[in-house]
Amino acid sequence: GAGVSQSPRYKVTKRGQDVALRCDPISGHVSLYWYRQALGQGPEFLTYFNYEAQQDKSGLPNDRFSAERPEGSISTLTIQRTEQRDSAMYRCASSLTSTVGTGGYEQYFGPGTRLTVT
Amino acid sequence: GQQLNQSPQSMFIQEGEDVSMNCTSSSIFNTWLWYKQDPGEGPVLLIALYKAGELTSNGRLTAQFGITRKDSFLNISASIPSDVGIYFCAGQTYSGGSNYKLTFGKGTLLTVNP
Repeated sequence: GAGVSQSPRYKVTKRGQDVALRCDPISGHVSLYWYRQALGQGPEFLTYFNYEAQQDKSGLPNDRFSAERPEGSISTLTIQRTEQRDSAMYRCASSLTSTVGTGGYEQYFGPGTRLTVT
Repeated sequence: GQQLNQSPQSMFIQEGEDVSMNCTSSSIFNTWLWYKQDPGEGPVLLIALYKAGELTSNGRLTAQFGITRKDSFLNISASIPSDVGIYFCAGQTYSGGSNYKLTFGKGTLLTVNP
């Protein structure tokens, strides 16, 4: 496996439905990040995992958003009761490590999931 | 929260010209990174800078980490059509022990006319 993969690439859902977005990081990468990117903007941090532990979820907009990484590899970002304002590109990134001073913490991004809530 | 000011927002240049873009911040970052994003793709890492004052090259790309740790620039020399895309700067900080979350600029849209 080469890079970070995400699925689905495109998701159209009706307002009020729940959606689950999947991220498969680069094999062996310890850290996994979720970002959201609006049109014309850079990605904005949502949440972060180190192995299976969710270390920081300060960027999640509200409690409709949740994420998990139960086995320290694949992660799922879930949005409950979707709203139109949730429409955006959701990007996942992974890095080899997160230990201070050792390097290898450059983040590599997946192609993203384009979510449209109608 | 931390914000990055990236400029210019867009650039239209002729093939062969050099390009320069920069980012400034009100906060200090431990690492600066430059990414390029093509349509329909995720950001691709171009250059990572780890020390204040560091100057790093990657082919026709050169980037510097400002001495104050609050700014960075990216230069592209002898531009070619495939340089077209959106360039993002990103600052990385240590937060909560080992969290390396990125703060991104809004991007510079580069158009290269052949």
